[in-house]
Amino acid sequence: DAMVIQNPRYQVTQFGKPVTLSCSQTLNHNVMYWYQQKSSQAPKLLFHYYDKDFNNEADTPDNFQSRRPNTSFCFLDIRSPGLGDAAMYLCATSREERGYNEQFFGPGTRLTVL
Amino acid sequence: AQSVTQLDSQVPVFEEAPVELRCNYSSSVSVYLFWYVQYPNQGLQLLLKYLSGSTLVKGINGFEAEFNKSQTSFHLRKPSVHISDTAEYFCAVSDDSGYALNFGKGTSLLVTP
Repeated sequence: DAMVIQNPRYQVTQFGKPVTLSCSQTLNHNVMYWYQQKSSQAPKLLFHYYDKDFNNEADTPDNFQSRRPNTSFCFLDIRSPGLGDAAMYLCATSREERGYNEQFFGPGTRLTVL
Repeated sequence: AQSVTQLDSQVPVFEEAPVELRCNYSSSVSVYLFWYVQYPNQGLQLLLKYLSGSTLVKGINGFEAEFNKSQTSFHLRKPSVHISDTAEYFCAVSDDSGYALNFGKGTSLLVTP
């Protein structure tokens, strides 16, 4: 089945130690998103790629970076994780169609910062 | 900017009872509205969406929602809930760019026997 895959499902890192989360998709969608969801809160968009074009949300900290080497893969890099970055990170994809984008979500990676 | 408000943070309900989860939106332009469900430690799954046309939208797992433009609402309903419906439910609206989803704060549905 076509799907959005996130690895790992659970990631533990140390304060200040760089960490990379990965997302892959078999849907061949041209748009990929990264959301941050803190406990008991709504998902918050960090950035998205439209093909190779990177679009950063205005309030996304510089500590968060992203790479999309090809259509199928997208990475979230946290350069120096702080305790406040502990959250669920959700990857989503969409294919632009008639002005709206139905987003398909992966299962998420839960990040713990020690 | 487009936004949604979910009026109830928690909704407890008995099994086989009907339920309504409320969502109001604010927008000055045409909207695309969505309901997602999130089970513990999982991603979001699309329940249903309103793009245009019929105001009554049917989704998966027996859920439906009604788009009401005059009341700017998009409430989610199910006539008879199951224990397995216990989850977090998010209402979302597509923003002006058509890319980002603006989510409500979520409603926790707790179904008990």
